[in-house]
Amino acid sequence: DGGITQSPKYLFRKEGQNVTLSCEQNLNHDAMYWYRQDPGQGLRLIYYSQIVNDFQKGDIAEGYSVSREKKESFPLTVTSAQKNPTAFYLCASSIHSRNTEAFFGQGTRLTVV
Amino acid sequence: KQEVTQIPAALSVPEGENLVLNCSFTDSAIYNLQWFRQDPGKGLTSLLLIQSSQREQTSGRLNASLDKSSGRSTLYIAASQPGDSATYLCASSDKYSGGGADGLTFGKGTHLIIQP
Repeated sequence: DGGITQSPKYLFRKEGQNVTLSCEQNLNHDAMYWYRQDPGQGLRLIYYSQIVNDFQKGDIAEGYSVSREKKESFPLTVTSAQKNPTAFYLCASSIHSRNTEAFFGQGTRLTVV
Repeated sequence: KQEVTQIPAALSVPEGENLVLNCSFTDSAIYNLQWFRQDPGKGLTSLLLIQSSQREQTSGRLNASLDKSSGRSTLYIAASQPGDSATYLCASSDKYSGGGADGLTFGKGTHLIIQP
């Protein structure tokens, strides 16, 4: 089955911890994205990558980090510097950036305890 | 910077009705506009993508239109069913993203309830 797999589905983080969210795709897409979704605010872009070994900040990158060492994988680390990390995180991919259809994973819900 | 607005924020209609969801955007310089469906606690499912050169796209009971000159897109759902209950999001792929950032600009969605 082709698609985007995010894991885990639920994640709990203690104050001061770093956590990493996984995103894997087998669609052979070049571009990958991370969005954050909060109630009443819509989706906001955290980071994106147009190609392997390259990534760019989105609108709300502070407190987050990413890597793109393989075409299939684009993990997101939520660092202790992120002041309000509780949210629903969505990973997406597209064949190329911008002018192609985007496909999304099932999301990871992160809660700070 | 592009702004995408969806009206209404919530809508409840009886089963069988035809309905229209609205999406407006402030910058007409877009590559495409995409409509998504989101079920509670789930990811986004792509419904329709309209390229900037197209006027509409159809898939089953869904029809999406695009009018770049007025900055509007509509999603028409025919013969609504309880299974259509979900949040519907529209998103633009912009030619001139503020700050150079890539990705889509999303509206906040319309929460749709179809009453059996």
